[in-house]
Amino acid sequence: GQNIDQPTEMTATEGAIVQINCTYQTSGFNGLFWYQQHAGEAPTFLSYNVLDGLEEKGRFSSFLSRSKGYSYLLLKELQMKDSASYLCAVRDSNYQLIWGAGTKLIIKP
Amino acid sequence: IAGITQAPTSQILAAGRRMTLRCTQDMRHNAMYWYRQDLGLGLRLIHYSNTAGTTGKGEVPDGYSVSRANTDDFPLTLASAVPSQTSVYFCASSDEQGATDTQYFGPGTRLTVL
Repeated sequence: GQNIDQPTEMTATEGAIVQINCTYQTSGFNGLFWYQQHAGEAPTFLSYNVLDGLEEKGRFSSFLSRSKGYSYLLLKELQMKDSASYLCAVRDSNYQLIWGAGTKLIIKP
Repeated sequence: IAGITQAPTSQILAAGRRMTLRCTQDMRHNAMYWYRQDLGLGLRLIHYSNTAGTTGKGEVPDGYSVSRANTDDFPLTLASAVPSQTSVYFCASSDEQGATDTQYFGPGTRLTVL
């Protein structure tokens, strides 16, 4: 079966750095996405990785290792508004997105 | 540009009733999707459409139907609602011509079936 694993919940301090991990086992791989979802709102696109390595976009970076079936989202200089759920999704061989259950990130002052 | 709109925002429905959730996009995206999101679970694909006139089944299609008469609209119908269909429903669209084929989501419909 296909599986995406993420921690259920993480807590971090304002101004700090946090790394959210995602491991996957899917039938084929055609890219990995990270989305942010604030409570009661729609998911919004953060990043996309299809090749190994680090993609940096402002305070957010995403890393991919296809051989390990592993990705992480790195958030720097955390702000209170970063409190949200972070969803990892992999596009499989059928070009469908397989979604993890999401990681709820709680930022404390 | 509105992006993707969904209606209604929320709905309480008696079991056995028929319900159509509406989704409209103005981005001229070819592909559209319906997901449900339940606590503790990832988004699960119900149905999708790669282009107007075609539809396909996702991971959890039973009890739902869709149609795609034109590019902009992709309604989801529950023929006879059951309590297990209580969920938040998201519609999404993507531009297959884009480099990443990123999916963009509507604001969601919160449905409660009693």
